[in-house]
Amino acid sequence: QKEVEQNSGPLSVPEGAIASLNCTYSDRGSQSFFWYRQYSGKSPELIMSIYSNGDKEDGRFTAQLNKASQYVSLLIRDSQPSDSATYLCAVKRDAGNMLTFGGGTRLMVKP
Amino acid sequence: NAGVMQNPRHLVRRRGQEARLRCSPMKGHSHVYWYRQLPEEGLKFMVYLQKENIIDESGMPKERFSAEFPKEGPSILRIQQVVRGDSAAYFCASSPPGTVPSEQYFGPGTRLTVT
Repeated sequence: QKEVEQNSGPLSVPEGAIASLNCTYSDRGSQSFFWYRQYSGKSPELIMSIYSNGDKEDGRFTAQLNKASQYVSLLIRDSQPSDSATYLCAVKRDAGNMLTFGGGTRLMVKP
Repeated sequence: NAGVMQNPRHLVRRRGQEARLRCSPMKGHSHVYWYRQLPEEGLKFMVYLQKENIIDESGMPKERFSAEFPKEGPSILRIQQVVRGDSAAYFCASSPPGTVPSEQYFGPGTRLTVT
């Protein structure tokens, strides 16, 4: 079992729809959770961080965390073609500062 | 406010040569991380450094790879006697000092090609 799992996609949504991206993790000691966006050939760009159970909203993005079920999700409202990218879920354990990344979900927003 | 800087952006080395990758963290950041992204694979942690200290090198291959973050100057990831399998994108990230969970910001990466 991978430590951080994501559906590789591609996830295809029409412009204006809600895109829902999911991530599960195996280490119950994980405390910090991050979503990064990576365009092809570019570096990861931090979108959201979430540390406690529940929802966290920032503009069109909402991160959701459920530690009991060990999953994190990212909702993108009013999806735009410019949101088309690979979204990486990253998890940090309580001890240590390293991030463990999932394989990423490729999102395609069609005009 | 400049972000994380990496150079060179592209590096071509022949098998057996040495590769040196440089990273300057964001202003005010004292923690540096190196990650590697192999083609069609995910990002993998390599090493975590603070000034003059290697904190965690659990992801670094035991041979040929080394990293440093001197008191002055950028962090350097060195790969000796490169092989074709070292071809990848190498990303540096930085975070501010402190013990609270902190976010890591990535530089543009160095794309290493070994011929």
